[in-house]
Order: sequence, then structure tokens, then C-alpha cells
Amino acid sequence: DQQVKQNSPSLSVQEGRISILNCDYTNSMFDYFLWYKKYPAEGPTFLISISSIKDKNEDGRFTVFLNKSAKHLSLHIVPSQPGDSAVYFCAASPGSGNTGKLIFGQGTTLQVKP
Amino acid sequence: NAGVTQTPKFQVLKTGQSMTLQCAQDMNHEYMSWYRQDPGMGLRLIHYSVGAGITDQGEVPNGYNVSRSTTEDFPLRLLSAAPSQTSVYFCASRSQGSTTDTQYFGPGTRLTVL
Repeated sequence: DQQVKQNSPSLSVQEGRISILNCDYTNSMFDYFLWYKKYPAEGPTFLISISSIKDKNEDGRFTVFLNKSAKHLSLHIVPSQPGDSAVYFCAASPGSGNTGKLIFGQGTTLQVKP
Repeated sequence: NAGVTQTPKFQVLKTGQSMTLQCAQDMNHEYMSWYRQDPGMGLRLIHYSVGAGITDQGEVPNGYNVSRSTTEDFPLRLLSAAPSQTSVYFCASRSQGSTTDTQYFGPGTRLTVL
């Protein structure tokens, strides 16, 4: 059973517009949520995270929103740039203490067109 | 500071062969993990370690062994490779003191089992 789901395999947006990537989860015990970006032939790189006690975290062009009642989070990229084209993974930390485990969604491929 | 390094970058095996995927980190991180990435499946946790001498199973541990004799190294062993183990493998590490559960990933090993 997939505990973290990204239901949109791909997203295409125009440069300068907003990109919204969505993620749903099933386990209310998750205490941290993270977004990773991955370019082809490279490892995932950390982008932004949010604690379960917050509903928003912002870092430059990237904002993550958390709706705990809906078990839903989203990543907003404004404005989108061609260099943002990559696969974006949503991940959740199980919250069972310091174990180093992350549960990932399937990923969403973002294409930003010039 | 090289971060997380993985060798080899590419490997082709025949069914039944054994091999070890190497992972090392120079950040003195206590936590290390192995993930595999398959199309449409995101990243799935294979094994993880919270410190030297301590390992535990993740979501998909069958067919893989690990050991953690030093803080720096966390090799992943395939004792008898199967075509189902064709995948991209990522090693990650994280500081025990991290407040955001952020993990740092290596560049990956692309494994093909014929």
C-alpha cells in the first residue's frame, strides 16, 4: 500500500508561470515532509521541507503547503524556470524517532517550457 | 568534502552472479540508507543503518545484505543477482542531529541483471 502518492506523473508549464506539484499521504503519524529534485543520471537533491506542526514553508521561489486534515501537501514554484525541469519526489519521515528512513512518492516529471 | 560517493556508476551482471555496491560518506553522518528507484515506483528503502554495527531492513530487503563496520562505509551486497534487481540504486546519509530529516544522496549505481 503506497503511503505517499504523487498522482500526476508529469506536469508541463510555461516559463514564468506557477508550477504546482501535489502529494497525498495516508499515515497521520508522519512528522516531516520533504521535496527532492532529481535530474537525469544524478542523485536526488534536497529542495525544501516542512514540519507537521506548520502549514507553510517558503524558500525563495519554492513554497510548500501542508494540509494535515486532508493529508495533502503541495509544492509551488513561482516563477518557474527552464532549469526547474526535473523529476520531483515528495517524501515523508515516519516519525518513529531518528531512524533515517524516508518514504517516497512515485515522482512527478516537471517540464518548464521557454 | 565529497559528500556521498558510490561505485561503480554502471554494472551489468548475469543472473546468479554476486557483487557489492560501494557507498561512502565523509560527513560523519550516523545514518545511512540504500534505496532503489524503479519506473513508476519512486524510491524504495532497501536497508538502513543508524550507526556502525547496527543495520535494519527497509521496505524491500529481500535479496540484499548490508553491513556497517565503519561510520563512513555502507556496502550493499547482492548474493545471487536476479533480473528483478535491475534498477538504479542510491545510497543516502543523514546526520543524527538533523532537525529536518534531510538525507543526502549519492549519484547512483545503474545495475542491469541479464
